[in-house]
Amino acid sequence: ELKVEQNPLFLSMQEGKNYTIYCNYSTTSDRLYWYRQDPGKSLESLFVLLSNGAVKQEGRLMASLDTKARLSTLHITAAVHDLSATYFCAVDKAGNQFYFGTGTSLTVIP
Amino acid sequence: NAGVTQTPKFRILKIGQSMTLQCAQDMNHNYMYWYRQDPGMGLKLIYYSVGAGITDKGEVPNGYNVSRSTTEDFPLRLELAAPSQTSVYFCATRYGRAQYFGPGTRLTVL
Repeated sequence: ELKVEQNPLFLSMQEGKNYTIYCNYSTTSDRLYWYRQDPGKSLESLFVLLSNGAVKQEGRLMASLDTKARLSTLHITAAVHDLSATYFCAVDKAGNQFYFGTGTSLTVIP
Repeated sequence: NAGVTQTPKFRILKIGQSMTLQCAQDMNHNYMYWYRQDPGMGLKLIYYSVGAGITDKGEVPNGYNVSRSTTEDFPLRLELAAPSQTSVYFCATRYGRAQYFGPGTRLTVL
């Protein structure tokens, strides 16, 4: 069974601080996705990482992928309140079966 | 462009009742997906379709059925509702590596 694990599950951080969310997965996959979900809302695509060593950045978020270690990280730089949300990583199997992590609930405190 | 639409937004069912969750898209995407999200959890794939007339099971298909007669529509059918099917259901399309999610249907089975 393919497993996708995220840690931490809950993260409370002060504005202006940096932190990293980790995503480990149990099967070979060259594609890793990050999504954001605001409370009661749908999912919004943040990053698609397509190969080993891929790094993508958007504003205060940077995602990277190490396919050999089966690990992706989502790094938050100088957090602001607007980043408070739940972040999910996902991998796909055979291009169509997507497996999601349990999510990291991030709260940024002023 | 409405993107991905889902109806209804909310529904309460009694045990044993049946219903169809509707999903429609106007982006002409071939790939469509149904997920469920239980409280505090990530998404789990129920069924997916790679085009009109073609569907396949995901990770948690038991208790559900789908059909895909047109590119635009991908309804999800619950035949005999059970409390374990209480969840939020998301429909999504995929184009390239990006998934586009609908707003979700919150279903409660009592």
